[in-house]
Amino acid sequence: QQQVKQSPQSLIVQKGGISIINCAYENTAFDYFPWYQQFPGKGPALLIAIRPDVSEKKEGRFTISFNKSAKQFSLHIMDSQPGDSATYFCAASNNAGNMLTFGGGTRLMVKP
Amino acid sequence: GAGVSQSPRYKVAKRGQDVALRCDPISGHVSLFWYQQALGQGPEFLTYFQNEAQLDKSGLPSDRFFAERPEGSVSTLKIQRTQQEDSAVYLCASSLADSSSPLHFGNGTRLTVT
Repeated sequence: QQQVKQSPQSLIVQKGGISIINCAYENTAFDYFPWYQQFPGKGPALLIAIRPDVSEKKEGRFTISFNKSAKQFSLHIMDSQPGDSATYFCAASNNAGNMLTFGGGTRLMVKP
Repeated sequence: GAGVSQSPRYKVAKRGQDVALRCDPISGHVSLFWYQQALGQGPEFLTYFQNEAQLDKSGLPSDRFFAERPEGSVSTLKIQRTQQEDSAVYLCASSLADSSSPLHFGNGTRLTVT
């Protein structure tokens, strides 16, 4: 059973555009929602994370929006750059240091 | 080293061979996780240690998979009698295990079973 569903599977954005990736979860016990960035041949690296007590968190060009009632959260990448081209994974757990359940990933390509 | 270190980076095994994958977590990290990442998929949980205790092994796909962390630091994931479906990247992650400390991943071991 897939507890975290991610969409789209792939995304092409022009340089300078906004990339938006969406995730939905089922387990109401989840209270920590990170996004990971993965380049080919590398492990996932934490990008930004949010807890359900806030509806939005922004770090530089990256913003997480969180909707607790809908059990959905999304990643927005503003002013997307070719260097942002990577696979992005949303995840969820019941605390930051605990087992993560990952979405299926979104392959982002930013065209120059 | 500052990060999680995994070895070997690549492993090719013939079907039926046993393999051992090593993980060196970040120094002082109490929690250690193993994940399996199939091509084009998200990582899937295999097993979890807190210090030397294996607290959760519910994700291990069969009894051919075995993990250990005897001294609470380095961990080894062993796969016996490898099958083609075991081909994947095996990721190790560690954390301080408090509620604010995130997981840090290694670069993984890519296992190919021929």
